[in-house]
Amino acid sequence: QSALTQPPSASGSPGQSVTISCTGTSSDVGGYNYVSWYQQHPGKAPKLMIYEVSKRPSGVPDRFSGSKSGNTASLTVSGLQAEDEADYYCSSYAGSNNFDVVFGGGTKLTVL
Amino acid sequence: QVQLVQSGAEVKKPGASVKVSCKASGYTFTSYYMHWVRQAPGQGLEWMGIINPSGGSTSYAQKFQGRVTMTRDTSTSTVYMELSSLRSEDTAVYYCAREVPSEVAGTGFDIWGQGTMVTVSS
Repeated sequence: QSALTQPPSASGSPGQSVTISCTGTSSDVGGYNYVSWYQQHPGKAPKLMIYEVSKRPSGVPDRFSGSKSGNTASLTVSGLQAEDEADYYCSSYAGSNNFDVVFGGGTKLTVL
Repeated sequence: QVQLVQSGAEVKKPGASVKVSCKASGYTFTSYYMHWVRQAPGQGLEWMGIINPSGGSTSYAQKFQGRVTMTRDTSTSTVYMELSSLRSEDTAVYYCAREVPSEVAGTGFDIWGQGTMVTVSS
C-alpha cells in the first residue's frame, strides 16, 4: 500500500484555524471509517488526537476535529495555540485481503 | 497508569538481528491488540505489524514479511518485535503502540511506548 498524501507544511497565526488534508484511495481512506490523526513533537512519541475519522480521545481539546469526504480526510485545528506547533500524521486501515495500516508522510504545522 | 515501557537502544551490524521488548502495565494485557511502528531519522511513521496478545496471532506489513517476528509473553505482559537481516535502512526509532479500545483493529493507536532507537552500522 502507498502512503497517504499530506501537504508537507501548514501554518497559521495564534487564534486562527488551519486544516490539514490526507488523501488516499478507495482501498484505505475512502473504504473505511478508520482514519486517525497523530501529533508528534520533536523527540517525542506520537500522540493520538483523532480516531475513527472524528472521535476525540479523552483529554484532547475540542479545538481538534476530524472529518472525511470520499478519499480525503481532514484535521482541523481551531484557535491555534503555540503548543500546537508539531508534526501531524494521518493513518488509515487499508486491509482487504490482509490486515494493513498506512500512514501519511506527515505535515509540519507552524504557528506564526 | 496505563503505559508501555520499551527496552533500551541497540547498535547492530548489518546482517544481524535485533529484538525489542515492550512491557505493558495498567490494563488487561490480553484485551488490546498491539502494533509496531517505526520512524527513520527525519522521516515519517511506518506501520510494521500487529499482534493479538490474547492468542498470539500476527499480521505483518508486506514490506517486512519474512524478516519480522512479533511474539508475546502473557506471564510478563510483554510483546516483542524481532527484525532480522538488518541493513542500514533499518536504522530507526521503533515504537510499540496499543490499539484503541474497539471491537475491530486498525482504528487507532492510543498508547505508545517511549521508542527504542536501533542503529545499524558496520
